[in-house]
Amino acid sequence: GAGVSQSPSNKVTEKGKDVELRCDPISGHTALYWYRQSLGQGLEFLIYFQGNSAPDKSGLPSDRFSAERTGGSVSTLTIQRTQQEDSAVYLCASSLERAGGYTFGSGTRLTVV
Amino acid sequence: AQSVAQPEDQVNVAEGNPLTVKCTYSVSGNPYLFWYVQYPNRGLQFLLKYITGDNLVKGSYGFEAEFNKSQTSFHLKKPSALVSDSALYFCAVRDKGTGNTGKLIFGQGTTLQVKP
Repeated sequence: GAGVSQSPSNKVTEKGKDVELRCDPISGHTALYWYRQSLGQGLEFLIYFQGNSAPDKSGLPSDRFSAERTGGSVSTLTIQRTQQEDSAVYLCASSLERAGGYTFGSGTRLTVV
Repeated sequence: AQSVAQPEDQVNVAEGNPLTVKCTYSVSGNPYLFWYVQYPNRGLQFLLKYITGDNLVKGSYGFEAEFNKSQTSFHLKKPSALVSDSALYFCAVRDKGTGNTGKLIFGQGTTLQVKP
């Protein structure tokens, strides 16, 4: 597609439920990143996928968080047993090369009530 | 560890005046530096990057940034601010400490407010 697409744009969930956030990167972009932006905070790196290499999961805050990227394209970020502190905007980005700039999606605003 | 700092939470400037949004970095070796802008309820948009070459980098919407190695700074500038420039600005540096992944480390962001 023309840009990075994320769905849903907004998600309200009850504490303890699982959620799945989807990212559809720009076609041909080999690198895909997930970041989290909490109110009043900067961007917190979560996970990075590059081609067929093992993902860099060093930013995932707990084992409740996981992500996969199927076929080198679409990625899903899953949060299990959501907590109120998980409330944030989850941003996905893709890039064509390591030295290039990212193209970000519009994000998914997650609210845990 | 690689890091980037934006010392100002908010910058206020009158329309038509020049603006500067500050960024300093700490990174081993030669840095790859970026600026992004986030308009309300939108994702981040790439403005410009410095990889190598000319220290003055020109980007989108009339913005430019100057790489200063001795001061480890990469300040964002624009000669004449517009009200529509009001947004949240992020400086970022590429993390070179973890296997050259291309992961970016972002500053905390600076809110730019341009008043008519």
